Amino acid sequence: AQRVTQPEKLLSVFKGAPVELKCNYSYSGSPELFWYVQYSRQRLQLLLRHISRESIKGFTADLNKGETSFHLKKPFAQEEDSAMYYCALSLSGNTGKLIFGQGTTLQVKP
Amino acid sequence: NAGVTQTPKFQVLKTGQSMTLQCAQDMNHEYMSWYRQDPGMGLRLIHYSVGAGITDQGEVPNGYNVSRSTTEDFPLRLLSAAPSQTSVYFCASSYGPGLADNEQFFGPGTRLTVL
Repeated sequence: AQRVTQPEKLLSVFKGAPVELKCNYSYSGSPELFWYVQYSRQRLQLLLRHISRESIKGFTADLNKGETSFHLKKPFAQEEDSAMYYCALSLSGNTGKLIFGQGTTLQVKP
Repeated sequence: NAGVTQTPKFQVLKTGQSMTLQCAQDMNHEYMSWYRQDPGMGLRLIHYSVGAGITDQGEVPNGYNVSRSTTEDFPLRLLSAAPSQTSVYFCASSYGPGLADNEQFFGPGTRLTVL
């Protein structure tokens, strides 16, 4: 069965510290993985996707098929990074369906 | 371009009442989905549609009905509300087939409380 696991409900770091939000997936097909972010009082929005291999707001994520992981990393956290982060899996064939993880709240303290 | 809109923003229902959550998008997206967001459980897919006239069930479809008569609209109906349906509901849309086009755009959400 398809599944996305984010083991941490809450990650609290100080400003300037490195951040790693963990995401593991279970899927037998060819995965497409995404990170979505929800800032306070804002809509859920796409942060980045593995296929584009880009860095957005200093965040990067590498798909590791061997470890079935797609961890989100940033070398120096900023207070404005505080938000809820969701890892999501799109099934092959692009059916428009996303499987979301449980979400991790990132709290960046001053 | 309003993107994805949802109404109402807030709703309180009594057990057994029915209601429809509205969702509309003006981006000519083929795919539309409904999710519910519950603490500790992330977002779970309720129903989705790959085009007008075509709908299918997601992970948690029980207690909800959908229809897609136009490309723009994708309403979610609760026929007999239950306290377990207290949640925040998000509608999302995306273009359709194609790896580069499958970013989902989300509405602002509807916070539903069932007493």
